[in-house]
Amino acid sequence: GAGVSQTPSNKVTEKGKYVELRCDPISGHTALYWYRQSLGQGPEFLIYFQGTGAADDSGLPNDRFFAVRPEGSVSTLKIQRTERGDSAVYLCASSPLPTGNTGELFFGEGSRLTVL
Amino acid sequence: KQEVTQIPAALSVPEGENLVLNCSFTDSAIYNLQWFRQDPGKGLTSLLLIQSSQREQTSGRLNASLDKSSGRSTLYIAASQPGDSATYLCAVSGYSTLTFGKGTMLLVSP
Repeated sequence: GAGVSQTPSNKVTEKGKYVELRCDPISGHTALYWYRQSLGQGPEFLIYFQGTGAADDSGLPNDRFFAVRPEGSVSTLKIQRTERGDSAVYLCASSPLPTGNTGELFFGEGSRLTVL
Repeated sequence: KQEVTQIPAALSVPEGENLVLNCSFTDSAIYNLQWFRQDPGKGLTSLLLIQSSQREQTSGRLNASLDKSSGRSTLYIAASQPGDSATYLCAVSGYSTLTFGKGTMLLVSP
């Protein structure tokens, strides 16, 4: 597709369960970002990939959160032992360049996670 | 740590008015500044990107300015329309991350 695709669009799970969220970036974009947005807040940075490697994971809140991008395209955000406080919209964005190299970010529509 | 503040948090105007949204940031060492639009339940759409060396950018009825030394940006919307109703987010760029404000929720009534 032409834009950033995220699946699932909605995910409801129970506390303690494992969740995977998928992001398919715009073809050819080497930079990929995950953000988390809580209600009434701006998006908060989680992790940035340049190619296959995590160039900056300083935003991951704890070791229950992990993300991969094994082939430099699709990325998966993995959350273990989910907690109610993990409920939020998880946004993925891609860019042809890092933000510091004039990279304009293109966002997907997000995956809304609800932990009961 | 970079902090971004947007004022006002919400704004309601009648159709046709010109309006200004404000954004301030604490660390002036930024690469660029972006304004985004977010419709309810949707992702973010980039509106304007201003490089740190630039002072303004224009796209149609939108004009964004940047005063990097004072840590401020404004988004000017001319002749507002009901279709402009959305949340507008300001974000400043470090090398690998964007730091967002909480947004201004705009409602333009017919």
